[in-house]
Amino acid sequence: EPEVTQTPSHQVTQMGQEVILRCVPISNHLYFYWYRQILGQKVEFLVSFYNNEISEKSEIFDDQFSVERPDGSNFTLKIRSTKLEDSAMYFCASTTGRLGNEQFFGPGTRLTVL
Amino acid sequence: KQEVTQIPAALSVPEGENLVLNCSFTDSAIYNLQWFRQDPGKGLTSLLLIQSSQREQTSGRLNASLDKSSGRSTLYIAASQPGDSATYLCAPCVGNTGKLIFGQGTTLQVKP
Repeated sequence: EPEVTQTPSHQVTQMGQEVILRCVPISNHLYFYWYRQILGQKVEFLVSFYNNEISEKSEIFDDQFSVERPDGSNFTLKIRSTKLEDSAMYFCASTTGRLGNEQFFGPGTRLTVL
Repeated sequence: KQEVTQIPAALSVPEGENLVLNCSFTDSAIYNLQWFRQDPGKGLTSLLLIQSSQREQTSGRLNASLDKSSGRSTLYIAASQPGDSATYLCAPCVGNTGKLIFGQGTTLQVKP
């Protein structure tokens, strides 16, 4: 069964460093999302991406964040200068259609900023 | 702005009980609602997707209902088992881009 994959599973970085979180969505999916979950808190929407551009971003998704689909398979989230409060689990999701279709989630990347 | 509330926050039951988890949302303009399971420190496993036009959706021992106009969904788990112990999240799909808005979850413990 097709699945969303994410790498790495755990990333440890120093404050101020850049990190890139990688996702491989399901191959025929067209809409992509990043969510994050700070320990003990709700899962929060970060950004949605369609047709090679951001379609919506949340207040969390400031200038330190960027997303890219560099080729036909990968979908990346970059944090330019990490802060302690960026420590969280980051989930990638994809769906075939934007409205009404199931979103499939990857296993997540746990980001720890020291 | 869509707000999602799940009640109760935590639930502990003996094995075999039937139970109901509640989810309420403030904006009825949703496309669908997904229920997820999350084990500690792990990812999100999709359990059920219920479309806005549907009233119920079933998968095995799980049954989800949706009353869109009143902003409520319930997840019914029949004959609970210790393996059902996890956090259950509801997430309506909203907006022009189909983002999911998550509740805080209900943490379920089923005791043998």
